[in-house]
Amino acid sequence: DAMVIQNPRYQVTQFGKPVTLSCSQTLNHNVMYWYQQKSSQAPKLLFHYYDKDFNNEADTPDNFQSRRPNTSFCFLDIRSPGLGDAAMYLCATSRDRGGGETQYFGPGTRLLVL
Amino acid sequence: GQNIDQPTEMTATEGAIVQINCTYQTSGFNGLFWYQQHAGEAPTFLSYNVLDGLEEKGRFSSFLSRSKGYSYLLLKELQMKDSASYLCAVNDSWGKLQFGAGTQVVVTP
Repeated sequence: DAMVIQNPRYQVTQFGKPVTLSCSQTLNHNVMYWYQQKSSQAPKLLFHYYDKDFNNEADTPDNFQSRRPNTSFCFLDIRSPGLGDAAMYLCATSRDRGGGETQYFGPGTRLLVL
Repeated sequence: GQNIDQPTEMTATEGAIVQINCTYQTSGFNGLFWYQQHAGEAPTFLSYNVLDGLEEKGRFSSFLSRSKGYSYLLLKELQMKDSASYLCAVNDSWGKLQFGAGTQVVVTP
């Protein structure tokens, strides 16, 4: 089945220790998104890639970076995690960008910062 | 600014009907999505409305009124597995999704 895969499902890191979350997709979609979702809150878009074109949201902290080495994979790097970065991180894909394009989500990675 | 409002929680009994309302004020509008999210899991697509009116898909229906900035998701013949959070999301002018905080639906026996 075509899908969006995220690894690991749970990640524990220490305050200030860099961490990388990964996402892969077998849908061959052009667009990949990273969202941060805290408990009982709406998913918040951090950035997205349209093919190789990186698009950062204006309020995404510099502490968050992303890489997309090829169509299938996308990584979220948190350079110096703080306690406030503990959240669920959701990866999503869509075939194209624009109105009406459904986004398909991976199962998420829950990040705990100690 | 962007504003998407939906109730925090709703409770209903198995077999009943529940209507989840969503009102929005966003920069541009390219349609409205509803997603279902079980605890600790990814949101899954339920419906998409871009024109006014009702879209029916099995036990779930979604309605849109663009002039009122209003949508609702109707869940019929509720089952225990329908206990989840339901997210309203507006597709804005740039094709991005602006999400509401979600409505937690609790289905009781």
